Amino acid sequence: DIQMTQSPSSLSASVGDRVTITCRASQGISNYLAWFQQKPGAAPKSLIYGASSLQSGVPSKFSGSGSGTDFTLTISSLQPEDFATYYCQQYNSYPLTFGGGTKVEIK
Amino acid sequence: EVRLVESGGGLVQPGGSLRLSCAASGFTLSDHYMDWVRQAPGKGLEWVGRIRNKANSDTTEYAASVKGRFTISRDDSKNSLYLQMNSLTTEDTAVYFCARVYCSGSNCPWGKAYFDYWGQGTLVTVSS
Repeated sequence: DIQMTQSPSSLSASVGDRVTITCRASQGISNYLAWFQQKPGAAPKSLIYGASSLQSGVPSKFSGSGSGTDFTLTISSLQPEDFATYYCQQYNSYPLTFGGGTKVEIK
Repeated sequence: EVRLVESGGGLVQPGGSLRLSCAASGFTLSDHYMDWVRQAPGKGLEWVGRIRNKANSDTTEYAASVKGRFTISRDDSKNSLYLQMNSLTTEDTAVYFCARVYCSGSNCPWGKAYFDYWGQGTLVTVSS
């Protein structure tokens, strides 16, 4: 199985900050990497696919990069609605696997 | 508008069974692969399994933790996806989400096999 490791597991940031979350795969997954946002009590929301392509309707303050084993999600200017938990997920092979999540909290 | 609505969750005793449903609307269910993903209380996301579309013979894939106990099926005529869960243990306690896979048709390469829409989830509690 491909292990997905996210860091940090949590972070505190202020409104307006630029935030970067990293995700590392235990083996190469090309660019078959997705990012999701989840708020408490809600379903995950798809943000990014193909490591860097925004899902329809997702604002451009979100961006993704990487290929192979190392990936990043960046939020350019954190807004109150962005405080949530973020997950990466590989879809290169079965079983599909998720990172452990990064909780973005208000400083 | 794409909409996925799960139902069927509830309290079940260890060793029991439960069937979850996912009602799809706003798109042609038969075109798409569909997945189940779960989330134990306070934990992260765990992939449960996938059912391919009719063009790919409705074949399935499962996580090792549920293989042999859970069965994914679909009834495209009813716009519904199902998850039959047998031999439940306390480890299966979670919110279960259905999710649509983007690609449609007979050709669904890995590069297009990502999730785009999710349901709101249904809670399954396994307890005596």
